[in-house]
Amino acid sequence: DGGITQSPKYLFRKEGQNVTLSCEQNLNHDAMYWYRQDPGQGLRLIYYSQIVNDFQKGDIAEGYSVSREKKESFPLTVTSAQKNPTAFYLCASSRAGGPGYEQYFGPGTRLTVT
Amino acid sequence: GENVEQHPSTLSVQEGDSAVIKCTYSDSASNYFPWYKQELGKGPQLIIDIRSNVGEKKDQRIAVTLNKTAKHFSLHITETQPEDSAVYFCAAPILTGGGNKLTFGTGTQLKVEL
Repeated sequence: DGGITQSPKYLFRKEGQNVTLSCEQNLNHDAMYWYRQDPGQGLRLIYYSQIVNDFQKGDIAEGYSVSREKKESFPLTVTSAQKNPTAFYLCASSRAGGPGYEQYFGPGTRLTVT
Repeated sequence: GENVEQHPSTLSVQEGDSAVIKCTYSDSASNYFPWYKQELGKGPQLIIDIRSNVGEKKDQRIAVTLNKTAKHFSLHITETQPEDSAVYFCAAPILTGGGNKLTFGTGTQLKVEL
């Protein structure tokens, strides 16, 4: 089955700790994205990558970091600098980085920081 | 940048009735408008999209209409069924800065009652 996997589904961390969320895709897509979802709000773009070894900040990149060393993988690190990290995090991918290509979403990771 | 507004935030209909969700966008150059359905605890899934060269697109019980002059687009679901209950998001492309970035509406919680 082709698709996007995110692990783990639920993640709990103490305040002040960095945490890395995993995102893997086997769709052979060039572009990958990270979104944050909070109750009552739409999806907000954190980072995106149009191609391997390249990524750009989205609307809310502060306190987050990413890497794109492999086409299949786009891990997101939530650092201790992120003031309000508790949220539902969604990873997505698309065939190309240009406009108008469908974005396919993973099942998400719910991060709780206490 | 692009700004997308979505209404209503919640919508309750009787099974078999129609449901309409409306979105407006700000960038007149936008040319691709996807609609996503998100079931509880899952990632969003594309259900239909429309490009700016057509005014309407249908897929079985789902249709999307686009009014470029007024800069709004709508999702229409006919003969609603309980499995249509979910959160629906509209989106529009962010054309500045390159890439396949989307800005999402804040979502509509649709409840189909028996």
